[in-house]
Amino acid sequence: EIVLTQSPGTLSLSPGERATLSCRASQSVSSSYLAWYRQKPGQAPRLLIYRASSRATGIPDRFSGSGSGTDFTLTISRLEPEDFAVYYCQQYGSSPMYTFGQGTKLEIK
Amino acid sequence: QVQLVESGGGLVKPGGSLRLSCAVSGFTFSDYYMSWIRQAPGKGLEWISCITSSGDTIYYADSVKGRFIISRDNTRNSLYLQMNSLRADDTAVYYCARADYYGSVNFDSWGQGTLVTVSS
Repeated sequence: EIVLTQSPGTLSLSPGERATLSCRASQSVSSSYLAWYRQKPGQAPRLLIYRASSRATGIPDRFSGSGSGTDFTLTISRLEPEDFAVYYCQQYGSSPMYTFGQGTKLEIK
Repeated sequence: QVQLVESGGGLVKPGGSLRLSCAVSGFTFSDYYMSWIRQAPGKGLEWISCITSSGDTIYYADSVKGRFIISRDNTRNSLYLQMNSLRADDTAVYYCARADYYGSVNFDSWGQGTLVTVSS
C-alpha cells in the first residue's frame, strides 16, 4: 500500500502570499495518477489538479502542481480568501484502489 | 450541470444496517466508474468502494470488505451502498464521487455528503 504524507500539517499565511504544499509518497507514483483537492469547511472536496500538473475545469491559474516519483507539490501563487481550506493529495493504485494524504490545513495568519 | 445527491444517512445502533443512495444527473451515468468516500468527523478522506461503469467489477477498502456492498442501477441513474454490521468507527460523512472519464484515476465530481452516525 502506498502511503501519502502531506506537509506541513498546518500552514499559516496571509492573503496575497505564496503557498507551497508537499505530498510525499512511500513508493514511486506515476504522475498520471496524482491529484490534488481543496475542501472548504462544510463542503465536499473539489478537484484542483490532476495528472500532477493539469488544472481541472474552472480552476484559476494561481494553482499549479508539479513533481514526479515520490515528491509532489501544490503551489498557490497568490492566496485569495477562499483558498484558506484543507488540501488533500490523492493517488490511484492498487489495494487500495485510491489513497489520500492526511491533508494540509491552510489557515489565515 | 453535473449533480450528485446522497441520501439515506442517519443514526443507527452498532451492528445495524443502513442503505445509502446517490442520485445523479447531468451526465451519462453508465459511462463512469463511481465511488463512495467517507470522512470521519474532523478527519481526512478515506476511499471505501468503487464500482465500474457496467457494475461488473467492484473494489473495496479492507476496512469495509465483507460488511459493505456497493451497487448501481444505470436505468435509474443511481448508486447505492448497503452498510451492514456497522461499528462506531463507521461514523462519517459519506460522499459519492464520480471518477474521471479517461482513466478513472481521480474524482471530478462529488455529492454534498450524507452523515452516518453509529451510536447506541
